[in-house]
Amino acid sequence: GAVVSQHPSWVICKSGTSVKIECRSLDFQATTMFWYRQFPKQSLMLMATSNEGSKATYEQGVEKDKFLINHASLTLSTLTVTSAHPEDSSFYICSARDGSRPTFDTQYFGPGTRLTVL
Amino acid sequence: QKEVEQDPGPLSVPEGAIVSLNCTYSNSAFQYFMWYRQYSRKGPELLMYTYSSGNKEDGRFTAQVDKSSKYISLFIRDSQPSDSATYLCAAQRGTGGGNKLTFGTGTQLKVEL
Repeated sequence: GAVVSQHPSWVICKSGTSVKIECRSLDFQATTMFWYRQFPKQSLMLMATSNEGSKATYEQGVEKDKFLINHASLTLSTLTVTSAHPEDSSFYICSARDGSRPTFDTQYFGPGTRLTVL
Repeated sequence: QKEVEQDPGPLSVPEGAIVSLNCTYSNSAFQYFMWYRQYSRKGPELLMYTYSSGNKEDGRFTAQVDKSSKYISLFIRDSQPSDSATYLCAAQRGTGGGNKLTFGTGTQLKVEL
């Protein structure tokens, strides 16, 4: 159990276009989802936290108008990179927290989406 | 200063060796400590988590936390080539939807035949 999927797994786009990445919890309801960014050989940097039905909370330095996050249901969150530029090229990973677990609400990570902007 | 510090490696060991991976942290408010394994181009996978100080064992893996010295360790016994991956330590202040994970940079481990 506790599977998180991401789609697409990789995407190549032209500079100036927008890209949407989906994150789904397949067998549990995710009260909270997180979006991370990871550069090569670096750690995960939290971009934003989203709760179902409310606005996402962005970390300092993350442009909310560039990285649009929607958490429309308890199993789906989307990240849209608007007007993407080459510096947005990165590995984007989502995680979901299973709020039903009584003892420790661990985060389950998706497999990641590799974005390359030409 | 980063809240969670981790030597990036790479660390190379022969098959069967005992591996010791370590992190230090600076925030006294951290109560939960996790170890994740990440294979190349994949998302992190939770290996173990520990609450407060103490040891926790799961098969070949042992996690240790010493809150007095703010030191986190992961030991891997009888290491296998399949253990080759990046190991990320992480810490969290508490439970609840808003609590965030703070990651170390990850240590790249290679177990050689």
